[in-house]
Amino acid sequence: DVKVTQSSRYLVKRTGEKVFLECVQDMDHENMFWYRQDPGLGLRLIYFSYDVKMKEKGDIPEGYSVSREKKERFSLILESASTNQTSMYLCASSFSSGTGNFGPGTRLTVT
Amino acid sequence: ELKVEQNPLFLSMQEGKNYTIYCNYSTTSDRLYWYRQDPGKSLESLFVLLSNGAVKQEGRLMASLDTKARLSTLHITAAVHDLSATYFCAVDINLTTDSWGKLQFGAGTQVVVTP
Repeated sequence: DVKVTQSSRYLVKRTGEKVFLECVQDMDHENMFWYRQDPGLGLRLIYFSYDVKMKEKGDIPEGYSVSREKKERFSLILESASTNQTSMYLCASSFSSGTGNFGPGTRLTVT
Repeated sequence: ELKVEQNPLFLSMQEGKNYTIYCNYSTTSDRLYWYRQDPGKSLESLFVLLSNGAVKQEGRLMASLDTKARLSTLHITAAVHDLSATYFCAVDINLTTDSWGKLQFGAGTQVVVTP
């Protein structure tokens, strides 16, 4: 079974902190994605990557950056966390064709 | 900009009855996905619909896709308590490759099944 793991299930950070959310997949997938999920809005794509060191903006990239130094790892970075970034963050990965898999999610609270 | 609208957003179901969730989207796409999410859990893939007229069934759930009407439906037959969850449809907005993942999601339909 494909495994997509995220470093934390729950995270509490203070406003202004730099926050790293890590995602690791074990199936050699080329593509990796970060989504955030908010009630009533569904999931929205933040950033994605089709290859190592490549990244592309999704629908809501403001306030976020990403890093993909290794194929299996995709990090989401909140440079200066704000309360409106309190959300559930879901990572996903896939091959170039075919469907993908979501990770368990990280519920981030910024106070 | 692609918009994906699900309705209803909340569905209270009685056990044993049939219900339908609708997913409308605003631009051309022939790839649509249905997911289930239990509270506090991640998304579980239910159906992948890849062409006009596609119909998939699994147990009490059946999904269909009409790309001309830009409509997908998730039909629940004889609802049972185990189907209580939030259901999302998602439309693939990357039409230039086969690559999955650049998805536009509906807001989700919260389903509660009661006796």
